[in-house]
Amino acid sequence: EAGVAQSPRYKIIEKRQSVAFWCNPISGHATLYWYQQILGQGPKLLIQFQNNGVVDDSQLPKDRFSAERLKGVDSTLKIQPAKLEDSAVYLCASSLVAGGHNEQFFGPGTRLTVL
Amino acid sequence: AQSVSQHNHHVILSEAASLELGCNYSYGGTVNLFWYVQYPGQHLQLLLKYFSGDPLVKGIKGFEAEFIKSKFSFNLRKPSVQWSDTAEYFCALSGGGNKLTFGTGTQLKVEL
Repeated sequence: EAGVAQSPRYKIIEKRQSVAFWCNPISGHATLYWYQQILGQGPKLLIQFQNNGVVDDSQLPKDRFSAERLKGVDSTLKIQPAKLEDSAVYLCASSLVAGGHNEQFFGPGTRLTVL
Repeated sequence: AQSVSQHNHHVILSEAASLELGCNYSYGGTVNLFWYVQYPGQHLQLLLKYFSGDPLVKGIKGFEAEFIKSKFSFNLRKPSVQWSDTAEYFCALSGGGNKLTFGTGTQLKVEL
């Protein structure tokens, strides 16, 4: 079974530039998550999709971050414009269905450095 | 609101030593608890999970964790660590829906 795919793996940009990350979840997984992991901290949920609908985006900085999952499969996360504090690893995860007991499967992450 | 605390940020052990990593949580309702592990250069993967029933859960690679409701704890244990257990360990809580709240993680280094 193929895992969660993410690209790019690394990205370096200057502040005020824009950047986009892509995620392809495990086939058949209806729920998709984006997390931000700042160095020295645990992952923090940014947004959760159920199919192509947003379930929870309460911690997404909506003035600069956006995400979409148009066809209910792969997803993109965008930052525009980037700030220094956005330097982090952005993790994508998926689960078969929503529900607190369902295992989330994580991708390798995209390491973003904002200079 | 839900939160997770991991008190040990860095742990260094010799091979064959016993391991216990602390995890405490804060949430007023029914909880689902997880331990995830991230080996060097690899992605986060599930080590074990607790939903209900027997509070002592066993996971992969000889790890186990005990849910103690009265102490709001879910500590991870392994009787004898190996060099290959060197990794970062995250405790996580799901208190409702599917939202995972992670602790800050514990870096474990096992020396030969």
